[in-house]
Amino acid sequence: NAGVTQTPKFRVLKTGQSMTLLCAQDMNHEYMYWYRQDPGMGLRLIHYSVGEGTTAKGEVPDGYNVSRLKKQNFLLGLESAAPSQTSVYFCASRNPGTGAFGEQYFGPGTRLTVT
Amino acid sequence: EDQVTQSPEALRLQEGESSSLNCSYTVSGLRGLFWYRQDPGKGPEFLFTLYSAGEEKEKERLKATLTKKESFLHITAPKPEDSATYLCAVQALRYGGSQGNLIFGKGTKLSVKP
Repeated sequence: NAGVTQTPKFRVLKTGQSMTLLCAQDMNHEYMYWYRQDPGMGLRLIHYSVGEGTTAKGEVPDGYNVSRLKKQNFLLGLESAAPSQTSVYFCASRNPGTGAFGEQYFGPGTRLTVT
Repeated sequence: EDQVTQSPEALRLQEGESSSLNCSYTVSGLRGLFWYRQDPGKGPEFLFTLYSAGEEKEKERLKATLTKKESFLHITAPKPEDSATYLCAVQALRYGGSQGNLIFGKGTKLSVKP
């Protein structure tokens, strides 16, 4: 199993450009999450999904949109990138019925720079 | 406001020199406290879950403990491969278990020199 994979690994955008980050998991997990990690700050939840076709806002959702059209994929979109969105983005997933609810499996991250 | 504070920010140890990392938390009802390990350039990796004061969990050289206000991650006789950033996270009772909304601390960067 590949676990949680993220595409791309690195990206540089100019202010105002748009892009989509892709997260895929092969563990048949119901729940998926998008976080951002900034220097000097803890991981912060952007959006999450508790199942195919569902999404919900996390702590810092502004400027981002998400979609969960297939159970194994969770997409994070930036419609008009801003320098404040320069960050490392992590996707995570878990299943409600296995292990502790805090036991999330994380992807390797996408490093995004907005100039 | 829910808060998680980890200390120290960075810790440098010699191989074999035991120590502890601290995670203090303020949350309106604790559902669970979690420890993760994060290696440079990688995503966090789950280590432990603690649910109630007095609980302890062990894994190799790591032992996590929980009180009503803080958690400790004890590292016994560390090795260079234990070098990583250790993250603490909590979930408040007001969040349903399904969402798994976690509040993360900033982490403690541990360096173990041979």
